[in-house]
Amino acid sequence: QKEVEQNSGPLSVPEGAIASLNCTYSDRVSQSFFWYRQYSGKSPELIMSIYSNGDKEDGRFTAQLNKASQYVSLLIRDSQPSDSATYLCAVKDRDDKIIFGKGTRLHILP
Amino acid sequence: GAGVSQSPRYKVAKRGQDVALRCDPISGHVSLFWYQQALGQGPEFLTYFQNEAQLDKSGLPSDRFFAERPEGSVSTLKIQRTQQEDSAVYLCASSQPLQYQNTGELFFGEGSRLTVL
Repeated sequence: QKEVEQNSGPLSVPEGAIASLNCTYSDRVSQSFFWYRQYSGKSPELIMSIYSNGDKEDGRFTAQLNKASQYVSLLIRDSQPSDSATYLCAVKDRDDKIIFGKGTRLHILP
Repeated sequence: GAGVSQSPRYKVAKRGQDVALRCDPISGHVSLFWYQQALGQGPEFLTYFQNEAQLDKSGLPSDRFFAERPEGSVSTLKIQRTQQEDSAVYLCASSQPLQYQNTGELFFGEGSRLTVL
């Protein structure tokens, strides 16, 4: 089983709607969780980090963490065409290195 | 420069050829990471340096892969006797340890796209 699992998509969401991206991880020891965004042909950039159970909001983005279920999600409100990208879920493992999922391709429909 | 710089941006190699990929991290960044990203996949961890010390090389796929950072700044990823399965984008990222501990933020370069024919 891969350490970080994501649905590869594509996930198509109408402009202005909420996009919901999900991720599960296998190592219960993990304490730090991240969402990176990667535009086609570009390198990943950090958009959210979360360490505690519950929700963390930053502008249109909300990260949600449930350690008991080993589940992380990212909500994007009022989706814009510029949000179209691949979203990478990442987890810092017990050896302190960041492990990425395969990514979910998000397509915002104008 | 202000960001992580990687060269070459594109490299085409014949199978069996050796290649060297260079990464110049953000000035002052102590931590340096190499990742391999195949088409349609997420970045896969290869190796990690803190200054010149290679702290983790567990992700290097075979003994054909070798990385070094002799002066704690620029790093080189070398791939010997390249195979077609080595075709991928090789991403370098840097960070400060405290910032990395606190935020987990990695600053990525634009990558080196390797195509092995």
